[in-house]
Amino acid sequence: DAGVIQSPRHEVTEMGQEVTLRCKPISGHNSLFWYRQTMMRGLELLIYFNNNVPIDDSGMPEDRFSAKMPNASFSTLKIQPSEPRDSAVYFCASSLPSGGIGELFFGEGSRLTVL
Amino acid sequence: AQSVTQPDIHITVSEGASLELRCNYSYGATPYLFWYVQSPGQGLQLLLKYFSGDTLVQGIKGFEAEFKRSQSSFNLRKPSVHWSDAAEYFCAVGNKAGNMLTFGGGTRLMVKP
Repeated sequence: DAGVIQSPRHEVTEMGQEVTLRCKPISGHNSLFWYRQTMMRGLELLIYFNNNVPIDDSGMPEDRFSAKMPNASFSTLKIQPSEPRDSAVYFCASSLPSGGIGELFFGEGSRLTVL
Repeated sequence: AQSVTQPDIHITVSEGASLELRCNYSYGATPYLFWYVQSPGQGLQLLLKYFSGDTLVQGIKGFEAEFKRSQSSFNLRKPSVHWSDAAEYFCAVGNKAGNMLTFGGGTRLMVKP
């Protein structure tokens, strides 16, 4: 079975541009997470969906960030307008809690550089 | 609020030597604890998890971890390190479903030949 698929793997853009990151979770998983990883702040949970519904977006840094999950097999994280401080690796992860204990399956990440 | 501290940012060990990575947590309820490993350019992979029962848990790749409630610790160990173990290791604490994980800052492991 394919793992979590993220695209693009690398994105370089200029400040002010819109950035869209994409994620395809593992088929059958009902929870999806967006994380951001930076040297300064480590791994931060941005938003969490369950059954396509956003459950907790308290980690979304500001209104420039938005995330959607239109169906069970696709999610996007959008930054508009982008700023240099948004440079980071963005991870998508999915899970299907079984026996009550969930395991997160991570994609390989999207490395974003904003110039 | 929940938090995880990994006191060692970098650790270097010789191949074949034993390894212990430290993790201390703060959590208001029964903690569910996880160790993940991240190889360069890759996402995180679960090594092991603890939620109840035996305080010594076994994971993949020969790793184990011991939960010590009195010390709020969940240290990761391996008796003999292989060069392929070089990676970054993250400890995490969260709820039972694993959907609100808080990660530590990570420990980067380097292995000397």
